[in-house]
Amino acid sequence: EVQLLESGGGLVQPGGSLRLSCAASGFTFSSYAMSWVRQAPGKGLEWVSAISGSGGSTYYADSVKGRFTISRDNSKNTLYLQMNSLRAEDTAVYYCAKNVAPDYGDYGDYFDYWGQGTLVTVSS
Amino acid sequence: QSVLTQPPSVSAAPGQKVTISCSGSSSNIGNNYVSWYQQLPGTAPKLLIYDNNKRPSGIPDRFSGSKSGTSATLGITGLQTGDEADYYCGTWDSSLSAEWVFGGGTKLTVL
Repeated sequence: EVQLLESGGGLVQPGGSLRLSCAASGFTFSSYAMSWVRQAPGKGLEWVSAISGSGGSTYYADSVKGRFTISRDNSKNTLYLQMNSLRAEDTAVYYCAKNVAPDYGDYGDYFDYWGQGTLVTVSS
Repeated sequence: QSVLTQPPSVSAAPGQKVTISCSGSSSNIGNNYVSWYQQLPGTAPKLLIYDNNKRPSGIPDRFSGSKSGTSATLGITGLQTGDEADYYCGTWDSSLSAEWVFGGGTKLTVL
């Protein structure tokens, strides 16, 4: 059974940093790209960042480029999102999601499993 | 403003059928597969439809998907109160930003 378990969310001041983790199990972690998708309170889904199965390629939405860094440790089956220079508009539930393709953007890619989410609140 | 356009809300009575539209362009829906996600209140999104019209195992055949040109449609028949949720379409967008995009979401109310 595929499981994705996020952690690391919390309250942080504007300009602060936070590191999210997503522990994966139930599939061959290194074979698939992984993504972070967020949802601001009362709003829709927004793709944030993705990383290829090997970890060699990373991708970011314009809204977080230069501030967020995605990474993965395939030996620990864990995905990370380092968030720096946080802003109020980054407040959201952050979901990790498993892509069905080895690399983000491969034709036919989509998200087949999602974690339960972790809430990040940026406020003074 | 989402790249993919969905109606904010739809409603129907139990047992009835409802459709949810997702409108895009040639840079997204027109040349890529569409997937649909169901988000029950207070829970994470769940894959409902992939590759325009395929259902993952465990998804009942009351749920169906279709695509024509630059639009996609999610259909739900035999509505149940447990179907009340937000529904999102998603696909790859190969315009300048080249990234995954979601529709704004549609809230389904089963009256």
